[in-house]
Amino acid sequence: GAVVSQHPSWVICKSGTSVKIECRSLDFQATTMFWYRQFPKQSLMLMATSNEGSKATYEQGVEKDKFLINHASLTLSTLTVTSAHPEDSSFYICSATTSGRAHEQFFGPGTRLTVL
Amino acid sequence: DAKTTQPPSMDCAEGRAANLPCNHSTISGNEYVYWYRQIHSQGPQYIIHGLKNNETNEMASLIITEDRKSSTLILPHATLRDTAVYYCIVRDDPLNSGGSNYKLTFGKGTLLTVNP
Repeated sequence: GAVVSQHPSWVICKSGTSVKIECRSLDFQATTMFWYRQFPKQSLMLMATSNEGSKATYEQGVEKDKFLINHASLTLSTLTVTSAHPEDSSFYICSATTSGRAHEQFFGPGTRLTVL
Repeated sequence: DAKTTQPPSMDCAEGRAANLPCNHSTISGNEYVYWYRQIHSQGPQYIIHGLKNNETNEMASLIITEDRKSSTLILPHATLRDTAVYYCIVRDDPLNSGGSNYKLTFGKGTLLTVNP
């Protein structure tokens, strides 16, 4: 149980375009979802925290107008990278928590974004 | 949240126990110790967590010193599939207050390489 999926698993786009990444909790309702970014050979960096029906809380230095997060339901959160540039190329990972298992955070498999 | 210190890398022979250390000398009374691992190009995976007592589950054992300033994650019989970066994270009790306590701050972790 407690499976998180991401779609797409990888995407290549042209500079200046927008890309949407979906994160779904498949068999549980997620009280909170998180979005991380990971550059090659580096650790995960938290970008934002979101709760269903409310605005996301962004970490310092993360542009909220560039990384749009929508958390429309208890099982779906989306991250849209707007006007993507090559420096946005990274591994984007989402995670979710559920009230019944508060100590565990369940991670998706990640989305590899390459901006040409 | 308290900071943690881990060795950057460790090697282990297949079938042997892997003992991964973590120092968290500034840990406070309400903070838990969590271990996650990340296999290459995948999302992280929760392993185990503890507060004061030693803990064991189907994946690993967690040994926390009496003063709580350090801990050791033990994989009793390492396999090649256990090769991953292991992250030790200290965090306040997520049930204490609000969504902020669900955040995880990842350090650089320990790259465990299990050799045949």
